[in-house]
Amino acid sequence: DIQMTQSPSSLSASVGDRVTITCRASQSISNFLNWYQQKPGKAPRLLIYAASNLQSGVPSRFTGSGSGTDFTLTITSLQPEDFATYYCQQSYSSPRTFGQGAKLEIK
Amino acid sequence: QVQLQESGPGLMKPSETLSLTCTVSGGSISSYYWTWIRQPPGKGLEWIGYIYASGSTNYNPSFKSRVTISVDTSKNQFSLKLSSVTAADTAVYYCARDRGSYWDHWGQGTLVTVSS
Repeated sequence: DIQMTQSPSSLSASVGDRVTITCRASQSISNFLNWYQQKPGKAPRLLIYAASNLQSGVPSRFTGSGSGTDFTLTITSLQPEDFATYYCQQSYSSPRTFGQGAKLEIK
Repeated sequence: QVQLQESGPGLMKPSETLSLTCTVSGGSISSYYWTWIRQPPGKGLEWIGYIYASGSTNYNPSFKSRVTISVDTSKNQFSLKLSSVTAADTAVYYCARDRGSYWDHWGQGTLVTVSS
């Protein structure tokens, strides 16, 4: 199985800040990397697919980049509704696997 | 707007077979893949498997001996069966539309608790 490792696992930031979450794969996955946002008690929501493609309806302050083994999710100008847990997920090979999550909290 | 809704028992006993159904509305179940994912309380996400509308499946080897996913196109539903459950199978179970490499529409999730 491909292991996905996110860093940091948790972070604190303020409204208006820029934050970056990193995801590293245990082997090259090309650009088969997706990002999801999850709020407490809710289903995950797709933000970014294929490493850098913004899902319809997702604000442009979310951007994804990377290829191979290293990927980043950047949120510019944090909004109150952005405080949540973020997961990366690889779809390069089966079984599809997730990172452990990165919890973004208000400072 | 595609919507998905999970249904099934919320409480089960060890060794029983978990059975959940996902009803798809606002669109046809045909020509897409459909996935089950679970999340133990306070933990991360785990992919269980998917089915294509034609009936072909792919399962996570972690579940392969216990899991069956099926589809009923006439009802616009797909289902999950997981046999011989234990407390470790306690989780929120999500169904989702699978675009082949990512999941763009999700159900709200249903909590299944396994307890004697």
